[in-house]
Amino acid sequence: DIVMTQSPDSLAVSLGERATINCKSSQSVLYSSNNKNYLAWYQQKPGQPPKLLIYWASTRESGVPDRFSGSGSGTDFTLTISSLQAEDVAVYYCQQYYSTPPVTFGPGTKVDIK
Amino acid sequence: EVQLVESGGGLVQPGRSLRLSCAASGFTFDDYAMHWVRQAPGKGLEWVSGISWNSGSIGYADSVKGRFTISRDNAKNSLYLQMNSLRAEDTALYYCAKGPSKLVTHNWFDPWGQGTLVTVSS
Repeated sequence: DIVMTQSPDSLAVSLGERATINCKSSQSVLYSSNNKNYLAWYQQKPGQPPKLLIYWASTRESGVPDRFSGSGSGTDFTLTISSLQAEDVAVYYCQQYYSTPPVTFGPGTKVDIK
Repeated sequence: EVQLVESGGGLVQPGRSLRLSCAASGFTFDDYAMHWVRQAPGKGLEWVSGISWNSGSIGYADSVKGRFTISRDNAKNSLYLQMNSLRAEDTALYYCAKGPSKLVTHNWFDPWGQGTLVTVSS
């Protein structure tokens, strides 16, 4: 199974500042035949189910604010919140869907306001 | 509006069984693979099982293989998870989630239901 790791475990960022979350997979999730990275990002606010933010590593889901962006390829990926808002306080998870089943998730990164 | 509503959770003794249901609405149910994902209290996300649009392809996490059975009834727009031989480590919030296509492989999940809590304890 592909193991996903995330860093940091948690971070606190001032309102309006940038937040950066890293995700690493134990093997490449880049499918050479279509040049797509099989990597998604989710946001989970307290007491709520996860919400899809990004898929194919960088494609923003409809309705997701453009302050959220995904980047990276192969084994190393980043979720960036360009200007942190109060409503962005949440736990963020990455997920690979390259080698399935099973899909596997990262352990999560908690984002708070400084 | 796409909606997924889980039910069937509760408190159950170790070794007993429980059946979860997920009622889907707002989309053409038999056009999509469906999944169960769980989250133990205060922990991260763990994929449990997935089923293709026509039940022709099914997958399980190693942690539940041989104990859990996923199924769907497209006529009723419903997804199920039969959980047997339950263990304390199965205690979690169980989410129903929709895949992006008919196939059970290469899926992200959107949307997710609110979840149903399963507690395994004597």
